[in-house]
Amino acid sequence: SQELEQSPQSLIVQEGKNLTINCTSSKTLYGLYWYKQKYGEGLIFLMMLQKGGEEKSHEKITAKLDEKKQQSSLHITASQPSHAGIYLCGADLLSNSGYALNFGKGTSLLVTP
Amino acid sequence: KAGVTQTPRYLIKTRGQQVTLSCSPISGHRSVSWYQQTPGQGLQFLFEYFSETQRNKGNFPGRFSGRQFSNSRSEMNVSTLELGDSALYLCASTWAATQYFGPGTRLTVL
Repeated sequence: SQELEQSPQSLIVQEGKNLTINCTSSKTLYGLYWYKQKYGEGLIFLMMLQKGGEEKSHEKITAKLDEKKQQSSLHITASQPSHAGIYLCGADLLSNSGYALNFGKGTSLLVTP
Repeated sequence: KAGVTQTPRYLIKTRGQQVTLSCSPISGHRSVSWYQQTPGQGLQFLFEYFSETQRNKGNFPGRFSGRQFSNSRSEMNVSTLELGDSALYLCASTWAATQYFGPGTRLTVL
């Protein structure tokens, strides 16, 4: 089973609209990362959240970590075509061999004119 | 500084062959991690190297191996390739808890 669940799987929004992507962990979260990936390319680091309640912003993208709910949300304000891509959350989760970076399956975002 | 580079960018192999992928981290970064990305399984952690030592390993069969050299460059080897090994292989170097990803190597196994 997936240890990091992202929702929604895909999203189509009109340019200028706001949107939210969620990432929920089945294990205790000690930190969470958000990445953006252009189709078939490498990942671009967006931000890292380490403390419960922490909120960070990068341009029009804001992410927040809720440690109690083991969840993080990524919010994009006034979306633009340049925001299109796949957003992935990642977290260091404890496994049998120690901590390893796990990822959600991604949320595909399309921004229409 | 130059980013993380991966070679080759594209590779086509046949079942049963072996393959070696290369990753050069950002200068000064000593930690290199490898990931496999497929449409079905998403992004999965393969292994992490730090100063030539494997620090962590994901849940992959022994056909997948890696190593890191004294200059922090890393190689990943897959032996006896299977169709299911077709994927985008990404490496990342880490600095201050931030991972910097390379563009990936697209491996196709026929």
